[in-house]
Amino acid sequence: QKEVEQNSGPLSVPEGAIASLNCTYSDRVSQSFFWYRQYSGKSPELIMSIYSNGDKEDGRFTAQLNKASQYVSLLIRDSQPSDSATYLCAASSGSARQLTFGSGTQLTVLP
Amino acid sequence: DTAVSQTPKYLVTQMGNDKSIKCEQNLGHDTMYWYKQDSKKFLKIMFSYNNKELIINETVPNRFSPKSPDKAHLNLHINSLELGDSAVYFCASSPLTGGVFGEQFFGPGTRLTVL
Repeated sequence: QKEVEQNSGPLSVPEGAIASLNCTYSDRVSQSFFWYRQYSGKSPELIMSIYSNGDKEDGRFTAQLNKASQYVSLLIRDSQPSDSATYLCAASSGSARQLTFGSGTQLTVLP
Repeated sequence: DTAVSQTPKYLVTQMGNDKSIKCEQNLGHDTMYWYKQDSKKFLKIMFSYNNKELIINETVPNRFSPKSPDKAHLNLHINSLELGDSAVYFCASSPLTGGVFGEQFFGPGTRLTVL
């Protein structure tokens, strides 16, 4: 069974620090990887996608992918209280057209 | 506004009833989905559907059925509701970009409570 695993947290970091969120996946044929942010009572919102090994940066967010280790991470630089949310890692294989989500990591950024 | 919309936002009903949740997307996407998010916030795929193919998660009871009148709509019908069906149900859509699975965009969710 395809699985995506995350540390459930909660993870707390002080404002201005780097938050590091980690994710591993079991399906070696997974091609696409996504990070979603979900505020309490709201729907998941896509913040990053990554398809190839290495780093991808978008503003304060950096996604890292290592397919050999089946590992995906999300770094949030200069964390802000508004970044406090649950972060969901997701993986897909193109042929399946489905996402498998991790259980999410709850992040709290302390002012 | 371009978006994925769902109705109703809240649904409270009795065990044994039949209910439907509607979803519409005006993003021009090919594929639509239904997810269930339980109290532990785990987001689980129920169905994915485009005009050619329905993929059903094998763990979904056959009391749940998706119905798509057209490419922009995917409704969820639930028969004989049970207490365990209480959850937040999210609709989502995605484009098919260059043959590679594209990002998904979620609706606001429907909180279903079965009494």
